[in-house]
Amino acid sequence: QVTLKESGPAQVKPTQTLTLTCTFSGFSLNTHGTRVSWIRQPPGKALEWLARIDWDDDKFYNTSLKTRLTISKDTSKNQVVLTMTNMDPVDTATYYCARSHNYEPLFDSWGQGTLVTVSS
Amino acid sequence: HSALTQPASVSGSPGQSITISCTGTSSDIGGYNYVSWYQQHPGRAPKLLISEVSDRPSGVSNRFSGSKSGNTASLTISGLQADDEADYYCSSFRSGTLYVFGSGTTVNVL
Repeated sequence: QVTLKESGPAQVKPTQTLTLTCTFSGFSLNTHGTRVSWIRQPPGKALEWLARIDWDDDKFYNTSLKTRLTISKDTSKNQVVLTMTNMDPVDTATYYCARSHNYEPLFDSWGQGTLVTVSS
Repeated sequence: HSALTQPASVSGSPGQSITISCTGTSSDIGGYNYVSWYQQHPGRAPKLLISEVSDRPSGVSNRFSGSKSGNTASLTISGLQADDEADYYCSSFRSGTLYVFGSGTTVNVL
């Protein structure tokens, strides 16, 4: 059974750096064609893809946020980490991690999400 | 980057069929058969409903079907049920950006 779970602070202050961890089970990020993405959703708004890391350590970022994002993985711990710098209240959102496999450009399993509020 | 365009809401009575449209461009929907659809109940994570325009993952009801024509993809829900009341998002591969989501559609079951 594939599971993913996000963890991190519920609240950060403006200008701070957010670090989120996605801990997964039921699959390996060493398997060819497997990818993990981060996706966010501001309250009442649509989904927005943020970043992706692949089995071969290739990394891809939303071009609008690229300068603020860093994604990395620790395959020994089955974890993917996202950092986002210079947080702003508009970054308040539920942050999800999600898996893709078999090279498919879709998200077949999602974590439950973690709400991050940016406020002083 | 702009989101794919979906109607804000679609309504239907139990048992009816409804269709949700998702309009993009030749750089995303029109150029690739990589359209997927997700269902999201309030307070829950999205769930994959349709992959690659019209494929249903194992376990997804055959009441959900997808199609595409030109730059517009569609999700049809037949035999509408109360539990279908949720938000629905389309997504497509987009050249240069990788992924783009739709603006989201709320389905109301009357």
